[in-house]
Amino acid sequence: QSALTQPASVSGSPGQSITISCTGTSSDVGSYNLVSWYLHHPGKAPKLMIYEGSKRPSGVSNRFSGSKSGNTASLTISGLQAEDEADYYCSSYTSSSLWVFGGGTKLTVL
Amino acid sequence: QLQLQESGPGLVKPSETLSLTCTVSGGSISSSSYYWGWIRQPPGKGLEWIGSIYYSGSTYYNPSLKSRVTISVDTSKNQFSLKLSSVTAADTAVYYCARLVAAAAYYWGQGTLVTVSS
Repeated sequence: QSALTQPASVSGSPGQSITISCTGTSSDVGSYNLVSWYLHHPGKAPKLMIYEGSKRPSGVSNRFSGSKSGNTASLTISGLQAEDEADYYCSSYTSSSLWVFGGGTKLTVL
Repeated sequence: QLQLQESGPGLVKPSETLSLTCTVSGGSISSSSYYWGWIRQPPGKGLEWIGSIYYSGSTYYNPSLKSRVTISVDTSKNQFSLKLSSVTAADTAVYYCARLVAAAAYYWGQGTLVTVSS
């Protein structure tokens, strides 16, 4: 079971849109619509931003959206704000009822 | 409002067993809708899923840790627990407990730092 692949870092200016990719395999991302995304500030509990690939929990801004194509899931943040600066992690359900995270992406708002 | 709280020693000696408990309040651990899981983050590294348990006791473990991990549930106390044996410095991490639905962790504990050192 290998970690999902995310870019180490992405950056954008306030108001812009950015996309974070999360690449897995046909055993996880490609086979199940069970990708979730988390915002994580160091020292705090991660926060669920997207579940089941594209659904937003109550209270999460509609500036956050999720999608999937083949073995790659994506998180798009539109109208970038300073408060969006954080680490972002994807995760996916895998075969045999296992779970796997991506390596994490550090988002910098310029 | 559901709350999860990790508890356990913050310092464990190498080769010993790390033991943590997650106490759930504001909801029942026996609900058939949820799994309960442990996730960790070593210093400077990313999140790593350790394992999950269903209230009935069915368990699922990260293959890389499976030989050392035991997760159990105590429905009478509304708690679930993690035991990780033969720890080394590589097991130093912030350990989180969480409630999972459809492979997504909606609720998380605040996390507890466990340091492995003599």
